[in-house]
Amino acid sequence: QVQLVESGGGVVQPGTSLRLSCAASGFSFNNYGMYWVRQAPGKGLEWVAVIWYDGKNKYYADSVKGRFTISRDNYKNTLYLQMNSLRVEDTAVYYCARNPVRDYYYYMDVWGKGTTVTVSS
Amino acid sequence: EIVLTQSPDTLSLSPGERAILSCRASQSVSSSYLAWYQQKPGQAPRLLIFHASSRATGIPDRFSGSGSGTDFSLTISRLDPEDFVIYYCQQYGASITFGQGTRLEIK
Repeated sequence: QVQLVESGGGVVQPGTSLRLSCAASGFSFNNYGMYWVRQAPGKGLEWVAVIWYDGKNKYYADSVKGRFTISRDNYKNTLYLQMNSLRVEDTAVYYCARNPVRDYYYYMDVWGKGTTVTVSS
Repeated sequence: EIVLTQSPDTLSLSPGERAILSCRASQSVSSSYLAWYQQKPGQAPRLLIFHASSRATGIPDRFSGSGSGTDFSLTISRLDPEDFVIYYCQQYGASITFGQGTRLEIK
């Protein structure tokens, strides 16, 4: 079955870095765009980043631009989010989600269960 | 950036009643590129509706979406107890933004 499993979350101090991973299975990963979406405690959903199916185009929310990098390894069926210069306000559950098309902005048709990132001193 | 405003923030209804949730955009959403998601406590969101009115795979037909331009709605025709959770709209006509959510609670 189609599945996305995030990992790599944890508790870190402000200013440090963390890399999240999302392992995909049950579908042809290299044929789909992918997203990261986050949700701060008790808050709504916030789109973080999107990457095209081939990794050549990447777009970011203004709140993370210049600090976060989305990437993918289509041989390993894995999506990544490198998070640098972390801030307290980056504390959230981070979900990876599938784009039902190869490129462009679209909706999210499959979601992982999420991984929790806590940024605290 | 297109800002989505959902109303009401909280909707109190009884099982069996009909719910209508609203999502208003600050500017027209091109091609009716609007989706709705349901989120249960402690779970990831689940896609309900895409392209404003198309039901996602496996979604019961008591969920329906409508609207165009700047005004969209999600209707749940007969509320089940499991429907009393949070709903989000999302536009993908110009980048991506989400509404703040509507919580459906049991009256």
